Amino acid sequence: EPEVTQTPSHQVTQMGQEVILRCVPISNHLYFYWYRQILGQKVEFLVSFYNNEISEKSEIFDDQFSVERPDGSNFTLKIRSTKLEDSAMYFCASSKRQGLDTGELFFGEGSRLTVL
Amino acid sequence: QQQVKQSPQSLIVQKGGISIINCAYENTAFDYFPWYQQFPGKGPALLIAIRPDVSEKKEGRFTISFNKSAKQFSLHIMDSQPGDSATYFCAASITGTASKLTFGTGTRLQVTL
Repeated sequence: EPEVTQTPSHQVTQMGQEVILRCVPISNHLYFYWYRQILGQKVEFLVSFYNNEISEKSEIFDDQFSVERPDGSNFTLKIRSTKLEDSAMYFCASSKRQGLDTGELFFGEGSRLTVL
Repeated sequence: QQQVKQSPQSLIVQKGGISIINCAYENTAFDYFPWYQQFPGKGPALLIAIRPDVSEKKEGRFTISFNKSAKQFSLHIMDSQPGDSATYFCAASITGTASKLTFGTGTRLQVTL
C-alpha cells in the first residue's frame, strides 16, 4: 500500500540553526501539507501546497518557514532559524484531489524535531 | 470560530464495551467531518468520515452520529477491543480549502481486558 514517507524520524538541533524536513508524498497525489503536533497537544495545520505554490498557510507558518517541491517527488519544510517552541512532531500529508475527497489526507509517520 | 472542541480528554473502557467520543464545532461552513486514529509514534490515519447531509454513518464497529442543528458529532466504537487503544481526533474542514483540517484536542482511549 502506498504511503507517505518522512525523513529524518528524529532531529535534534541547536536554537538558531536551520532545519530541513523531507517528505515523499504518495506518487499520484497532487496536494501536499505540513502539520505539526506539539507533544500532548492537537495536530495543527501549517501549510498546503498545490501546483508548485502555497495554497494556504496558517498564522504559525511565518517567514521562518518555507516549503519546496524541488524535484517532483520530494516535498520539504525548511525552518530557517529554529526556536525552542518549534520543538514538535511535524507531519507531512498528501491527498489525491480536492472537492469530494477534501479531508482524506494520508499522513506520514512524522519527524520529531527537538530544539535545544 | 474555527475551533473544534473534543471530549473527553481520556477514556477507559472495558473490552466489549462502547466507547463514545464527542465533538462540537462552531463554524457552520464546515462540511466534512473526519475522525483520525493515531497510535503512539505514528501519524494520524483516517478512520471514518461524514458529511452533514446524513445523520449517521457506520463502518464495521465504528459509527459517526451527526447532529447538524446542535453542531455536534460523535464517534461510537462498539465492542471495543484492546487493539482500539489509541488517540482519536475529530476534525472538520470546508470543501475547497485544500484540506485544511481543524483538529480537536484528541481523546486517549484505553481498552482494558
